[in-house]
Amino acid sequence: QQQVKQSPQSLIVQKGGISIINCAYENTAFDYFPWYQQFPGKGPALLIAIRPDVSEKKEGRFTISFNKSAKQFSLHIMDSQPGDSATYFCAAFIIQGAQKLVFGQGTRLTINP
Amino acid sequence: DTGVSQNPRHKITKRGQNVTFRCDPISEHNRLYWYRQTLGQGPEFLTYFQNEAQLEKSRLLSDRFSAERPKGSFSTLEIQRTEQGDSAMYLCASRPLAGGQDEQFFGPGTRLTVL
Repeated sequence: QQQVKQSPQSLIVQKGGISIINCAYENTAFDYFPWYQQFPGKGPALLIAIRPDVSEKKEGRFTISFNKSAKQFSLHIMDSQPGDSATYFCAAFIIQGAQKLVFGQGTRLTINP
Repeated sequence: DTGVSQNPRHKITKRGQNVTFRCDPISEHNRLYWYRQTLGQGPEFLTYFQNEAQLEKSRLLSDRFSAERPKGSFSTLEIQRTEQGDSAMYLCASRPLAGGQDEQFFGPGTRLTVL
């Protein structure tokens, strides 16, 4: 049972372009939505996160857009750079309790120079 | 060293053997998590400790798997009678007890290959 669905599986963007990754969730009990970045041989690292009472959050070149009614959220990377090439995971968790992360399947992003 | 460390980084074993992995969380992080990540997939939750107490286990954690955190510091994950389907990256994460939505800090993982 996949509670968080992520697309696309892979994405190629030209340097300076906008990278967009989409996620959809099923469990309405989720109340925190982080995005993680993972480089080969490393563990995931938190990139940016949002709560469902906010429709957008921006940190530098990274923006999360959140649509609570559609149960969808997306990551936008502006002015994409070759150093952004990595695998990106959306995730969700319930703040009360263990806060175990439920991850999407991941998107392998490649930024061409 | 301020990060989460995991040892070994790689483990190759034959089917039926037992393996044990170790995770050293960030100092004073009370909460510790184990996840499993297979190729091309996101990590999946296995188990959660608050101090030395194991408070939650996933149904993914069959009876061949056991995790401990004996003194509330480092943790071990043991897999008995390994199967080829156990081949995966095993990730450990830790976070402090205080706070509402603190980040989970992940280690580099232990990659297990079962032949």
